Amino acid sequence: GAGVSQSPRYKVTKRGQDVALRCDPISGHVSLYWYRQALGQGPEFLTYFNYEAQQDKSGLPNDRFSAERPEGSISTLTIQRTEQRDSAMYRCASSLESGNRAGDYGYTFGSGTRLTVV
Amino acid sequence: AQSVSQHNHHVILSEAASLELGCNYSYGGTVNLFWYVQYPGQHLQLLLKYFSGDPLVKGIKGFEAEFIKSKFSFNLRKPSVQWSDTAEYFCAVIPNYGQNFVFGPGTRLSVLP
Repeated sequence: GAGVSQSPRYKVTKRGQDVALRCDPISGHVSLYWYRQALGQGPEFLTYFNYEAQQDKSGLPNDRFSAERPEGSISTLTIQRTEQRDSAMYRCASSLESGNRAGDYGYTFGSGTRLTVV
Repeated sequence: AQSVSQHNHHVILSEAASLELGCNYSYGGTVNLFWYVQYPGQHLQLLLKYFSGDPLVKGIKGFEAEFIKSKFSFNLRKPSVQWSDTAEYFCAVIPNYGQNFVFGPGTRLSVLP
């Protein structure tokens, strides 16, 4: 597609439910990143993929959070047993290159998924 | 741990005023530096970036930023703001060997017509 597409745009869920957030990167982009942005704060790194391989998941806050990118394209961020503190904007970004060359080619961010846990 | 700080949480200016938004980072090695902008209801867009070379970087929409290595700073400037510049501005850093951004907390800019 022309840009990074995230779905749903808005998600309201009850505490304790599982949610799956989807990111469809730009076609051919090698690397894919997930960030979380709480209200009034800057985006915070969660995890990163090169193709289908999860290279770094150090930013995932706990084991309720997981992500996959099984075919090296679309990625899903799953949050199990959601809690109110999980409420945030979840952003995905992709880049044509990987590693420290990714910045040379630039990153494109999606519009994000606004998750509200009630 | 690497961190990025932005000096102002909210800046309010009148149209045609000059703008300078401060950004400092804590990482001591070589870094790549970015400014992103988020207009109301839209996604993050790249304003400008610095990798090497001339420390004065020009971006889109008349924005520029100056990298001062000795001060670990990358301040964003615009000589004359417009109402359409109302947005949230994020400074971000990637270490030269790294992959992911470390973002600052953001500065909200409100330009009064």
